[in-house]
Amino acid sequence: AQTVTQSQPEMSVQEAETVTLSCTYDTSENNYYLFWYKQPPSRQMILVIRQEAYKQQNATENRFSVNFQKAAKSFSLKISDSQLGDTAMYFCAFMKGAGTYKYIFGTGTRLKVLA
Amino acid sequence: EAGVTQFPSHSVIEKGQTVTLRCDPISGHDNLYWYRRVMGKEIKFLLHFVKESKQDESGMPNNRFLAERTGGTYSTLKVQPAELEDSGVYFCASSFGQPRLEQYFGPGTRLTVT
Repeated sequence: AQTVTQSQPEMSVQEAETVTLSCTYDTSENNYYLFWYKQPPSRQMILVIRQEAYKQQNATENRFSVNFQKAAKSFSLKISDSQLGDTAMYFCAFMKGAGTYKYIFGTGTRLKVLA
Repeated sequence: EAGVTQFPSHSVIEKGQTVTLRCDPISGHDNLYWYRRVMGKEIKFLLHFVKESKQDESGMPNNRFLAERTGGTYSTLKVQPAELEDSGVYFCASSFGQPRLEQYFGPGTRLTVT
């Protein structure tokens, strides 16, 4: 069975600084997808970034980038130039590349950006 | 375009009572998913509909939970009878086409069983 681990329950970062959220996963699959979702306070969860396991290049979306280490089964999220609006709960998620379309989530990291 | 909506936003019921949660997916989204987050723990998958058919219900905890999606539009999740351990936030999500691109989540229903 697949598992996703987020070892940092809470983190804080100063505005404009860079922060990295960690995520590790366990799977015997070779084809899969990894995601970071963000849930701002009292708002809906939205997709931040997505990575296909077969792609060696790390995904980037503006200030958000990932460090995908397939052999180490690590998928960390880097937020550059942190903004107050980045304050949110961040969930790392895994999805198999075939068959089921269900996400397997980690327990989340609560990030607070400080002014 | 309206997002995924869920009703109610919060429900407080007593143990043994029945509760029905509703999810309205984004219009045109064939795929609909239910997830649940128990306080402080990970978000767990419950089930997946494709139109009105249950594609995957491997996450449903027991037969006290019944999900339906009549007509392939909105979905309901009924818990009967509710137990204390059913408390948590129930999320609905929907997607169209390739489900591995993105699922769009609703705001969740917070269920408290006392």
